[in-house]
Amino acid sequence: GQQVMQIPQYQHVQEGEDFTTYCNSSTTLSNIQWYKQRPGGHPVFLIQLVKSGEVKKQKRLTFQFGEAKKNSSLHITATQTTDVGTYFCAELTLGGYQKVTFGTGTKLQVIP
Amino acid sequence: DTEVTQTPKHLVMGMTNKKSLKCEQHMGHRAMYWYKQKAKKPPELMFVYSYEKLSINESVPSRFSPECPNSSLLNLHLHALQPEDSALYLCASSQSDRSYEQYFGPGTRLTVT
Repeated sequence: GQQVMQIPQYQHVQEGEDFTTYCNSSTTLSNIQWYKQRPGGHPVFLIQLVKSGEVKKQKRLTFQFGEAKKNSSLHITATQTTDVGTYFCAELTLGGYQKVTFGTGTKLQVIP
Repeated sequence: DTEVTQTPKHLVMGMTNKKSLKCEQHMGHRAMYWYKQKAKKPPELMFVYSYEKLSINESVPSRFSPECPNSSLLNLHLHALQPEDSALYLCASSQSDRSYEQYFGPGTRLTVT
């Protein structure tokens, strides 16, 4: 089946540096969701993007959906230690019943 | 209350045991989900219940048996599991099977010996 790939797989940044994770699909996505999973925790929904070229911001986080709806990015400005975790993009399919398919994830480590 | 609760937090079971995982939400959500997450991997969908009826079974082996006794409760019955079934089992809920935000519980970390 289709898998949504994320790069990088791992990222270590110094506190205060910026961070970006990219999500790529070989097929057109109907939408893109982003989740954060802290170490030892569970996924927490962050946002959903639906429109081509859509950009949304949440404080230091900026989410973007590509024009062709095949890629997305999450950018964090001035990382903090509280940003540590794994960030997953995901596609929500609504053909009949809701199904969320997660991307491979990017694990972020912030060095204080 | 925006919380999904799961019990137990940890479970160790032998391959011949029968055990159950429990999930509960009191947000009035009508769709509930079971996911399996192996270490360093994304969650993988197992089952979807919509309005207390099973609507998606992602080709999960029959040793996993879901049950939805009412709109607030979701169980996962386990029998004759294999060591490779060891994983974090996550429950989630959403307002309906058409709403986009899923709320996840803390998970049950299962070890099969």
